[in-house]
Amino acid sequence: DIQMTQSPSSLSASVGDRVTITCQASQDINDYLIWYQQKPGKAPQLLIFDASSLETGVPSRFSGSRSGTDFTLTISSLQPEDFATYYCLQYVILPFTFGPGTRVDV
Amino acid sequence: QVQLVESGGGVVQPGRSLRLSCVASGFTFSGYGMHWVRQAPGKGLDWVAVISHDGKNEFYSDSVKGRFTISRDNSKNTLYLQMNNLSDEDTAVYYCAKDRRLYSFGCSSWGQGTLVIVSS
Repeated sequence: DIQMTQSPSSLSASVGDRVTITCQASQDINDYLIWYQQKPGKAPQLLIFDASSLETGVPSRFSGSRSGTDFTLTISSLQPEDFATYYCLQYVILPFTFGPGTRVDV
Repeated sequence: QVQLVESGGGVVQPGRSLRLSCVASGFTFSGYGMHWVRQAPGKGLDWVAVISHDGKNEFYSDSVKGRFTISRDNSKNTLYLQMNNLSDEDTAVYYCAKDRRLYSFGCSSWGQGTLVIVSS
């Protein structure tokens, strides 16, 4: 199975900060990566698919990029509603595997 | 808009069985693969199983293979998860999720989840 690691596991930030979260795959997954946002008690919401494509309705302050097996989610200017946990998912091959998550708080 | 509503969760004793359901609306159910994903209390997301749009292909995580069965009834727009021989480690919120395409292109929309507690 493909292993996904995320860093950092948590971070503290302020409104207006630029935030970067990284996900690394244990092998080549091409661009088959999704980023999700999850708020407490809620289902995950898709932000980015195919590593860098913004889902319809997601604010443009969210962006994704890829360098080899390293993937980055960037929030250009953190907003109050962005405090949440972020997960990556690889879908190049079954079984799908999620990263362990990155919690973003104040 | 896409709506997924799970049901069937509850408290069950170890070794017993439970069947979860997920009713879909707002899209052509028979045109998309469907997934189950779970989340233990305070933990991360754990992918469980997928079924293709026509029900002909299934795949499971190693942790549930041989115990869980995913199925669907396209005439009823409903996804199922039959869970047998449950253990404490299966305690989680179970989400159904719509695939982006016919089978395995990632989960797009998610239901609100149903809680399964395995406890004696």
